[in-house]
Amino acid sequence: NAGVTQTPKFQVLKTGQSMTLQCAQDMNHNSMYWYRQDPGMGLRLIYYSASEGTTDKGEVPNGYNVSRLNKREFSLRLESAAPSQTSVYFCASFRGFWRGGQETQYFGPGTRLLVL
Amino acid sequence: ILNVEQSPQSLHVQEGDSTNFTCSFPSSNFYALHWYRWETAKSPEALFVMTLNGDEKKKGRISATLNTKEGYSYLYIKGSQPEDSATYLCAFRRNTGNQFYFGTGTSLTVIP
Repeated sequence: NAGVTQTPKFQVLKTGQSMTLQCAQDMNHNSMYWYRQDPGMGLRLIYYSASEGTTDKGEVPNGYNVSRLNKREFSLRLESAAPSQTSVYFCASFRGFWRGGQETQYFGPGTRLLVL
Repeated sequence: ILNVEQSPQSLHVQEGDSTNFTCSFPSSNFYALHWYRWETAKSPEALFVMTLNGDEKKKGRISATLNTKEGYSYLYIKGSQPEDSATYLCAFRRNTGNQFYFGTGTSLTVIP
């Protein structure tokens, strides 16, 4: 049971290049999230997917697109990277309240992205 | 955009001291308040999930309380140890949807 996995762990891009960050979870969770973490800003939501087939914008969606490929996978795409997108990106999945326990959000290990 | 505030922003305490910090959130449309522990170069790990006004949760030397009517939660650490050094994040979830609103965190450094 790997939990939430992310690839790549680290990436350097030039301004204008594109890339896709991959995220997968093996816990059969319906909801998945993409956050970015910047110094002094905490975690800010980029996009989330409440269930397979649905996606919604979060607080900072500009410059990003997402795809919920299936229940397991949720990818984040930067079409034309900008230096302002230099950040650490975290993917998370969420299990709501259930009879056996409480709701919990699980985070992946993060992707460090540097845009030059 | 909902405002979730944490204070203080950072804290340095001596080993053995007890400490506490605050998370403030909107008191309307409350559903759940999460606390996370986030060590440097790692990903956030869940500490507590609190849903009912007056909730108190405890895990070892760490405990948390919840006041949904006034919109705040306290996290307490008793007898701080160097391994408690981390950023402590809170996240608010309202009763519509599964979106989380995070505070900016409290960075705790425990000096041996």
